[in-house]
Amino acid sequence: QVQLVQSGAEVKKPGASVRVSCKASGYTFSVYYMHWVRQAPGQGLEWMGWISPNNDGTNYGQKFQGRVTMTRDTSITTAYMELSSLTSDDTAVYYCARDPSGTTPDYWGQGTLVTVSS
Amino acid sequence: EIVMTQSPATLSVSPGERATLSCRASQSVSINLAWHQQKPGQAPRLLIYGASTRATGIPARFSGSGSGTEFTLTISSLQSEDFAVYYCQQYNNWPPKLTFGGGTKVEIK
Repeated sequence: QVQLVQSGAEVKKPGASVRVSCKASGYTFSVYYMHWVRQAPGQGLEWMGWISPNNDGTNYGQKFQGRVTMTRDTSITTAYMELSSLTSDDTAVYYCARDPSGTTPDYWGQGTLVTVSS
Repeated sequence: EIVMTQSPATLSVSPGERATLSCRASQSVSINLAWHQQKPGQAPRLLIYGASTRATGIPARFSGSGSGTEFTLTISSLQSEDFAVYYCQQYNNWPPKLTFGGGTKVEIK
């Protein structure tokens, strides 16, 4: 069965960077897009971007341009999201989610809580 | 950026009743619209894509309709497991810049 297993919770100081991983199994990792979506405490969903299976191209939300980097390692079926220059506004649960077409996440990871606090 | 607006913010419904949720786009997205369900403490789950196509394993009591800027998710007869928050999401153009609505919480009346 499809599984997206994300790395554990992180606590970071303002100005630091965080990298979240997403280990995929149960499907052909190399032909699926991977989205990253975040959810601040008690808030809605916010799309950050995706990485494409085609030459690892990326498509980032404008809000995150210049601050987010999405990568993937097909050999270990793992996707990564790194967010830099963290502020308290980045405190959220970060989800990875696969997608066959780059338009609609169809299966989500369990989420990773990132807390930014001095 | 295409802004998605959902209404109402909270919907109180009795089990067995019909629930109708609305989603409006700030500009036309054709039928490039999906619905996701999220229960407390859980990741979202895809329900509907292409405005009206149910995702794999989604019960027939969930149906989507609409095009352009106005969309509806209908749950024909609410079951206990359907009480959750529902988000619409658009994916217009290429490459798409996905945006989500603010969500509608369906609660027990």
